[in-house]
Amino acid sequence: EVQLVESGGGLVQPGGSLRLSCAASGFIFSSYWMHWVRQAPGEGLVWISRINTDGSSTDYAGSVKGRFTISRDNAKNTLYLQMDSLRAEDTAVYYCARRLASGTYDYWGQGTLVTVSS
Amino acid sequence: DIVMTQTPLSSPVTLGQPASISCRSSQSLVHSDGNTYLSWLQQRPGQPPRLLIYKNSNRFSGVPDRFSGSGAGTDFTLKISRVEPEDVGVYYCMQATQFPITFGQGTKLQIK
Repeated sequence: EVQLVESGGGLVQPGGSLRLSCAASGFIFSSYWMHWVRQAPGEGLVWISRINTDGSSTDYAGSVKGRFTISRDNAKNTLYLQMDSLRAEDTAVYYCARRLASGTYDYWGQGTLVTVSS
Repeated sequence: DIVMTQTPLSSPVTLGQPASISCRSSQSLVHSDGNTYLSWLQQRPGQPPRLLIYKNSNRFSGVPDRFSGSGAGTDFTLKISRVEPEDVGVYYCMQATQFPITFGQGTKLQIK
């Protein structure tokens, strides 16, 4: 069974940092591009970042570029999102998602809540 | 970025009756490879999104056949043939034809 389990969310002050993890199981993690998508409270879904299968290629939304870093450890079947210089507007549930070649996300984690507030 | 616009934003429906959600993209979603990378997602209250339809009209594994996707170019529709209580939630269209991936703003399906 495919599972994606996020962790690492919590309350952080503006300007602070957090590192999110997404533990994958039930599939060959190293064969899939992985993405992060976030959802602010009561709002819709917003794509944040993606990483290719071996971690050599990454992309970011403009709103987080230069502040967030996506990475992966295929030996540990884990995806990461390092979030620095956090702002109030980064408050959201962060989901990791597995991307298929058919251009969609077939599995999502349950999400981890990040709250940026003083 | 491609803008995805859904209508309506809220849809009260009667159990057992059909429901329809529209999604319009600001550019054609036909990829150079001939595929249309338009998906529909369902998000039940308190849950993560769940894939219903991919590549415009393909039902994902385990999705009931009362859900169907159709459309072409820039106009797409998700139809539920007979709404069940478990269909309550927010529905999103999503395009992956052009980077970055973008989502519609969501349509809230409620029971009358």
